[in-house]
Amino acid sequence: GNSVTQMEGPVTLSEEAFLTINCTYTATGYPSLFWYVQYPGEGLQLLLKATKADDKGSNKGFEATYRKETTSFHLEKGSVQVSDSAVYFCALGGNFGNEKLTFGTGTRLTIIP
Amino acid sequence: GAGVSQSPSNKVTEKGKDVELRCDPISGHTALYWYRQSLGQGLEFLIYFQGNSAPDKSGLPSDRFSAERTGGSVSTLTIQRTQQEDSAVYLCASSPGTAGNTIYFGEGSWLTVV
Repeated sequence: GNSVTQMEGPVTLSEEAFLTINCTYTATGYPSLFWYVQYPGEGLQLLLKATKADDKGSNKGFEATYRKETTSFHLEKGSVQVSDSAVYFCALGGNFGNEKLTFGTGTRLTIIP
Repeated sequence: GAGVSQSPSNKVTEKGKDVELRCDPISGHTALYWYRQSLGQGLEFLIYFQGNSAPDKSGLPSDRFSAERTGGSVSTLTIQRTQQEDSAVYLCASSPGTAGNTIYFGEGSWLTVV
């Protein structure tokens, strides 16, 4: 079955540091890949997505590239801000008609000034 | 337009009581999902509705859990004879129902069983 393995947290970085949160997956077929973010006190929201191999999703300075050869979808940001402090979830979804998302366990990120 | 709406936002109930959690999906979305997020844990899939198809109930943890979706819109998740381990945030989500579409989440219903 489908599964997502996500970098364990928590992660604490200084402002303007480079961020990488690793995500690898196991799936049959050709899933879509997502990063969702949950800011403190808020609901889960989509950060970015990629629907096929070699696609790059990007939003708010974050990027992730769908790597089929390494079954990975690592999240990166060149210079983090305090406002990026949140919990980040990697997820995969079916690509043959709509299917449920399978989530990783989440990575709590804290940015200190 | 309006997002996914859930109610109640917070519910405290006594062990052994039944609870109902409601979800209003985004208008026109054919797919509806329920997930559970326990403290310090990831998101656990519970159940998925897609149009008129039979729901995928593979994530329901026990027969105390059930869900309905009436008229292809509003959904109710029912937990019977609640236990303390049922305490969690119950998240509802909806999507337009085609491959690769974004799934939109509500803010959740925080259930505490005492």
